[in-house]
Amino acid sequence: DGGITQSPKYLFRKEGQNVTLSCEQNLNHDAMYWYRQDPGQGLRLIYYSQIVNDFQKGDIAEGYSVSREKKESFPLTVTSAQKNPTAFYLCASSTRDIAYEQYFGPGTRLTVT
Amino acid sequence: AQSVSQHNHHVILSEAASLELGCNYSYGGTVNLFWYVQYPGQHLQLLLKYFSGDPLVKGIKGFEAEFIKSKFSFNLRKPSVQWSDTAEYFCAVNAGSNFGNEKLTFGTGTRLTIIP
Repeated sequence: DGGITQSPKYLFRKEGQNVTLSCEQNLNHDAMYWYRQDPGQGLRLIYYSQIVNDFQKGDIAEGYSVSREKKESFPLTVTSAQKNPTAFYLCASSTRDIAYEQYFGPGTRLTVT
Repeated sequence: AQSVSQHNHHVILSEAASLELGCNYSYGGTVNLFWYVQYPGQHLQLLLKYFSGDPLVKGIKGFEAEFIKSKFSFNLRKPSVQWSDTAEYFCAVNAGSNFGNEKLTFGTGTRLTIIP
């Protein structure tokens, strides 16, 4: 089955620790994205990558970092510099045709205490 | 930069009622428009999309949306809702050109609750 996997589904961390969220896709999509979803705020773009070894900041990149060493993988690190890291994180991917229709993974709920 | 407004934050309807969820966008050029749905505990999935052509687009599960360019709107409709339509609905837009359309901008979402 083609799709996007995110692991783990739930993640708990202590304040001050960096944490890396996994995102893998087997759809052969060039572009991948990370969003943060908070109640009442919709989805906000953190980072995106259109090709391997290249990525761009989204609207709320501060306190986050990414890498894109393989086409299939786009891990997100939530650093200790992120002031409000507790959120639901969604990964997506798309082809790079005219529409860039995005497909989403199941999400990771991160709780930092 | 584009932006999307969904003015209905929470809509409560009885089964069989008709539904219309508002979506307005702000962008000066051509656009691609999307409605995504997030059922409780499930992935965000595409309901329908508009790229070009007929402004009335039909999606899955009996949903449709109409693109009205003069009003910058892309409202979602369903003539008769079911309890299983309870979900959160997101409108999204990207630039309908080769430049800048890699970024999808989402509205804040509308939570729909259907009462049996």
